[in-house]
Amino acid sequence: QVQLVESGGGLVKPGGSLRLSCAASGFSFSDYYMSWIRQAPGKGLEWVSYISGSSTYTEFADSVKGRFTISRDNAKKSLDLQMNSLRAEDTAVYYCARPLDLAGSGIFDIWGQGTMVTVSS
Amino acid sequence: EIVMTQSPATLSVSPGERATLSCRASQSISSNLAWYQQKPGQAPRLLIYGASTRATGIPARFSGSGSGTEFTLTISSLQSEDFAVYYCQQYNYWPITFGQGTRLEIK
Repeated sequence: QVQLVESGGGLVKPGGSLRLSCAASGFSFSDYYMSWIRQAPGKGLEWVSYISGSSTYTEFADSVKGRFTISRDNAKKSLDLQMNSLRAEDTAVYYCARPLDLAGSGIFDIWGQGTMVTVSS
Repeated sequence: EIVMTQSPATLSVSPGERATLSCRASQSISSNLAWYQQKPGQAPRLLIYGASTRATGIPARFSGSGSGTEFTLTISSLQSEDFAVYYCQQYNYWPITFGQGTRLEIK
């Protein structure tokens, strides 16, 4: 079945780095734009970044621009989020999400279970 | 950036009754509006997109309406499994943005 599984979360000190991964299965991964979306504890949802199927296009929320990078390996069906210069406000559950269609719309019908990132000294 | 505002923040409704949730966009987003349901410890679940199209497997008691800046999610007869947090989201412009959520609780 269609599935996304995130990994790589954990506790990191302010200014540190962390790399999240998302393993995809059950669909043609390379055909889809993929996104990371996060949710701070007890708060709402915030889109973080997307990458096109061929990695040609990437975009980032202003809150993470210059600190986070997104990449993918279509052969391995994996999506990564490299997070540098982490701040306390980056503490959140990070979800990888697949859009409903191949056009890269922002409608997300497939979500992973999320991985928790805690930035604290 | 488009600001999405949901109301009310919390809605208390009895099982079997109707629930009406509202979402307003800071500028017109046409019909590019989605609704998600989220239960504690779970990822969001897509309910509605295109303002009124139910996602696959979503029961008919969920319906969406609106266009431009004003949108509504209606749950016609609340079941126990419907008590959750609901988020609206616009995808007309990047960055896509979400509302702050409406918590639907049992009265």
